[in-house]
Amino acid sequence: GAGVSQSPRYKVAKRGQDVALRCDPISGHVSLFWYQQALGQGPEFLTYFQNEAQLDKSGLPSDRFFAERPEGSVSTLKIQRTQQEDSAVYLCASSRLAGGPGAKNIQYFGAGTRLSVL
Amino acid sequence: GESVGLHLPTLSVQEGDNSIINCAYSNSASDYFIWYKQESGKGPQFIIDIRSNMDKRQGQRVTVLLNKTVKHLSLQIAATQPGDSAVYFCAEKGNNDMRFGAGTRLTVKP
Repeated sequence: GAGVSQSPRYKVAKRGQDVALRCDPISGHVSLFWYQQALGQGPEFLTYFQNEAQLDKSGLPSDRFFAERPEGSVSTLKIQRTQQEDSAVYLCASSRLAGGPGAKNIQYFGAGTRLSVL
Repeated sequence: GESVGLHLPTLSVQEGDNSIINCAYSNSASDYFIWYKQESGKGPQFIIDIRSNMDKRQGQRVTVLLNKTVKHLSLQIAATQPGDSAVYFCAEKGNNDMRFGAGTRLTVKP
């Protein structure tokens, strides 16, 4: 597709369940980012991939959060034993060039996955 | 701590008027700034960017102004249209970091 695609768009989980969120970046984009956006707030950086390498995971809030991009394209963000404070919109972004969150590259965002933990 | 913030959480303007959305930043090491527009149910969409060696940059109907002396950034939208209604975020980059502000909700009245 032309843009970043995320699935599912909505996910409801019971506390303690594991969830997996998928991101399909723009084809050929080297960099991929995950963000967490709480209601009424700006996105907060979680992690960054350059191709298949996870170069920055400084924003992951706990070891329950795990991300992968095994073939340098599709990425999955997994949250284990979900808790209510994990409820948020999870945004994925991709960028054509290499460079971490501070790089002067335009990031293209997907529509996000809204996670609600009950 | 250092942060990116916005002066006003909401802004309401009449269709056809100009809009000005403000943003304050405090990290003097930031050298690149971006404005994003986020419509309901969508991800942030890039509007315009500016590097710290510039003080003004213009796009289509939008202008970004950067005042490094007072660490202030603004987004001006000319002839605001109903389709401009959204939440606008400023973001700053520097030190291998990118931080978003909380956002300003712009509402355009017909």
